[in-house]
Amino acid sequence: DVKVTQSSRYLVKRTGEKVFLECVQDMDHENMFWYRQDPGLGLRLIYFSYDVKMKEKGDIPEGYSVSREKKERFSLILESASTNQTSMYLCASSFYPARTGELFFGEGSRLTVL
Amino acid sequence: GQQVMQIPQYQHVQEGEDFTTYCNSSTTLSNIQWYKQRPGGHPVFLIQLVKSGEVKKQKRLTFQFGEAKKNSSLHITATQTTDVGTYFCAARTGNQFYFGTGTSLTVIP
Repeated sequence: DVKVTQSSRYLVKRTGEKVFLECVQDMDHENMFWYRQDPGLGLRLIYFSYDVKMKEKGDIPEGYSVSREKKERFSLILESASTNQTSMYLCASSFYPARTGELFFGEGSRLTVL
Repeated sequence: GQQVMQIPQYQHVQEGEDFTTYCNSSTTLSNIQWYKQRPGGHPVFLIQLVKSGEVKKQKRLTFQFGEAKKNSSLHITATQTTDVGTYFCAARTGNQFYFGTGTSLTVIP
């Protein structure tokens, strides 16, 4: 069964802390994505990666960075967390070039920044 | 990025009533996908539409892609409580996916 695993379901951090969100997929997908989900705003793309060590900015990359050292793992980093980064973070993966093109999502990481 | 508008934002229906959500884009889309997110869950892929005017059915769900490939709709016939959740459309451009804001469906038993 396909699986995208996010390291933490719930995190509480303080303003200014460095935060790591980890995502691992076991489907040998080339593409991996980080989205942020907020009520009324849908899913907004933060960063995506189409290969190891490759990354592309999405619509809202400010305040975030990413790392992809291995094909199966894609990390989202908040260098200095702020309260406006309180949100649900969703990792997803897909094949490249897209076949059916569907995204497989992880369970999400709900981050609260105090 | 790609702008995809989705309406309505919320919909409450009595069980057995029909439901429709609409997605609109100002630009021509190469394809469109639909996802469902149950409360507390993560989005799950439902379907992809590629061809102009395409219509696909999955049991009580009917998906349409407009002739101009700028809009799409999801229609649920005779809703059930299991249909509760948020439905998202997503426009795929290359390797990027641009999501609509979603329609949250509540089904009243």
